[in-house]
Amino acid sequence: AQSVTQLDSQVPVFEEAPVELRCNYSSSVSVYLFWYVQYPNQGLQLLLKYLSGSTLVKGINGFEAEFNKSQTSFHLRKPSVHISDTAEYFCAVSEGSSASKIIFGSGTRLSIRP
Amino acid sequence: ETGVTQSPTHLIKTRGQQVTLRCSSQSGHNTVSWYQQALGQGPQFIFQYYREEENGRGNFPPRFSGLQFPNYSSELNVNALELDDSALYLCASMEGTGVGRSEQFFGPGTRLTVL
Repeated sequence: AQSVTQLDSQVPVFEEAPVELRCNYSSSVSVYLFWYVQYPNQGLQLLLKYLSGSTLVKGINGFEAEFNKSQTSFHLRKPSVHISDTAEYFCAVSEGSSASKIIFGSGTRLSIRP
Repeated sequence: ETGVTQSPTHLIKTRGQQVTLRCSSQSGHNTVSWYQQALGQGPQFIFQYYREEENGRGNFPPRFSGLQFPNYSSELNVNALELDDSALYLCASMEGTGVGRSEQFFGPGTRLTVL
């Protein structure tokens, strides 16, 4: 069975500092990996996804993530954060391109300090 | 282009009651998925509807049921409400059924409180 573990429930960082949000997954088959962002009182928005190919994936708002199959990780990074990046971030996984569901992690709350 | 919309925004019910939540999919999308997001947790997949048929279901009891209409809008019905049903219910629409092939677009959610 698939599962997603987000190792940090909260990550506080100062504005303009770099950030890494950690995500590990488990699955017995090839997976597709996603990062979503949820701003307060809003639905989820896709930041980026890994389907195949290059293990470094670039997304919106300056975020990127690296797929590491040997470590079953898909960590999200941004070199310099802004106040507007304050939100909840969810790592997620699905099995195969035809899968109907996405399994989400429990989320990491990113808080940016001025 | 109109995005995914959900109604109502907030809802308060008591234990044992029934509730219906509504979702209008984004233009051109024929698939709707429903997720439950409890406070402090990630969304959990309830089920997916594709062209009016259920196309996958998560680990939720039968009192959670759904419908999809010919215009691809959808309803989530929950019978015999329990306190643990209190959550944000998210609807997502997409074209086709494979989440790896197409992007899901989420609505803002309906906040259900069960007292």
